[in-house]
Amino acid sequence: QVQLVQSGAEVKKPGASVKVSCKASGYTFRDYYIHWVRQAPGQGLEWMGRINPNSGGTVYAQKLQGRVTMTGDTSISTAYMELISLTSDDTALYFCARGGGHGVPATFDDWGQGTLVTVSS
Amino acid sequence: DIQMIQSPSSLSASVGDRVTITCRASQDISNYLAWYQQKPGKVPKVLIYAASTLRSGVPSRFSGSRSGTEFTLTISSLQPEDVATYYCQRYISAPQMFGQGTKVEIK
Repeated sequence: QVQLVQSGAEVKKPGASVKVSCKASGYTFRDYYIHWVRQAPGQGLEWMGRINPNSGGTVYAQKLQGRVTMTGDTSISTAYMELISLTSDDTALYFCARGGGHGVPATFDDWGQGTLVTVSS
Repeated sequence: DIQMIQSPSSLSASVGDRVTITCRASQDISNYLAWYQQKPGKVPKVLIYAASTLRSGVPSRFSGSRSGTEFTLTISSLQPEDVATYYCQRYISAPQMFGQGTKVEIK
């Protein structure tokens, strides 16, 4: 079965950066987009962007352009999301989710367990 | 600017009531609209995709419809286990953004 396992919780100071990993199993990693979604405490779901692991191509939410970088390592079936210049507004639960295969539009049926990133001085 | 406008932000209804949540897309997304249910401490779960297709295993009291760029999620008879936050999502292409969410509670 499809599994997405994320790295553990992080505590960062304002201005720092964080890199969260998402290890995939149960399917061919390079064939499906990986999306990143975050959820601030008590708030809604915010789509951050996606990566095509096969090509490395990315699309980022306009709001995060310049601060977020998504990468993938097909040799270990792992996707990464790095966010720089952190502020308290970046405190959130960060999820990876599997998107469509071969670029086909699709819902997010499989999610990682979430990684809590806390930004505090 | 691409937007998904969802309303209301919260609602309170009695068990057995019919509940309706609306999501309006700022541009044509055809039928590429999904509804998710998220319970506290859990990841979101797809209830409906392609605007009106029920995901396998989802109770038939949930239904979805489309009129142009306006989409509706209906719970025909609200049950206690339906207490959750519901989100719409456009998935025709990136950005695959979500609506702001609707928190459903029992009166």
